[in-house]
Amino acid sequence: KNEVEQSPQNLTAQEGEFITINCSYSVGISALHWLQQHPGGGIVSLFMLSSGKKKHGRLIATINIQEKHSSLHITASHPRDSAVYICAVRSDRGSTLGRLYFGRGTQLTVWP
Amino acid sequence: EAGVAQSPRYKIIEKRQSVAFWCNPISGHATLYWYQQILGQGPKLLIQFQNNGVVDDSQLPKDRFSAERLKGVDSTLKIQPAKLEDSAVYLCASSLVGGRSYNEQFFGPGTRLTVL
Repeated sequence: KNEVEQSPQNLTAQEGEFITINCSYSVGISALHWLQQHPGGGIVSLFMLSSGKKKHGRLIATINIQEKHSSLHITASHPRDSAVYICAVRSDRGSTLGRLYFGRGTQLTVWP
Repeated sequence: EAGVAQSPRYKIIEKRQSVAFWCNPISGHATLYWYQQILGQGPKLLIQFQNNGVVDDSQLPKDRFSAERLKGVDSTLKIQPAKLEDSAVYLCASSLVGGRSYNEQFFGPGTRLTVL
């Protein structure tokens, strides 16, 4: 079983729609990251969270530590948001301290 | 500021052949990571260097994979001999420091390896 589970695996939306991607994890963490990966492989960091909620432009990320769950929301989605969104958690345990565990990613496609 | 550089971007080899990937991290970044990302999956850490020392190589298949970072800057990852299941994107990332202190990881564009 993967330490990080994301849903949905694929998501298609019409421009302007509100989008939610979910992430659940099973290990102890010191932080959770949301990453964006465009075709060609490049990965960029969107958010790092250890509690609560963060907002950057049209992107909002929340985390519930007790429930081991995080969500990434995109308001007023746009075709340029089309990418793979990856949830990653940073382990706070023993020999794996600091290691990032990645989810499989959610492929988002936004149509005009 | 230049990002993490990787080469080649694409490589196609036959099984049992050898292949090497190169990574040049962001200047001044002490920590360097190699990840393997199989199609449809998230990246998996293969090895982490702090300067030229290995911090974590517990998930590196050491019978066929090797990596080095001799001068604490550039790094090479080698596969010898390659298997079909090694087909993946190999990502290099770097950060100022690692371990207990967190600094953001910056990723390179990756090398897409296809083993036939």
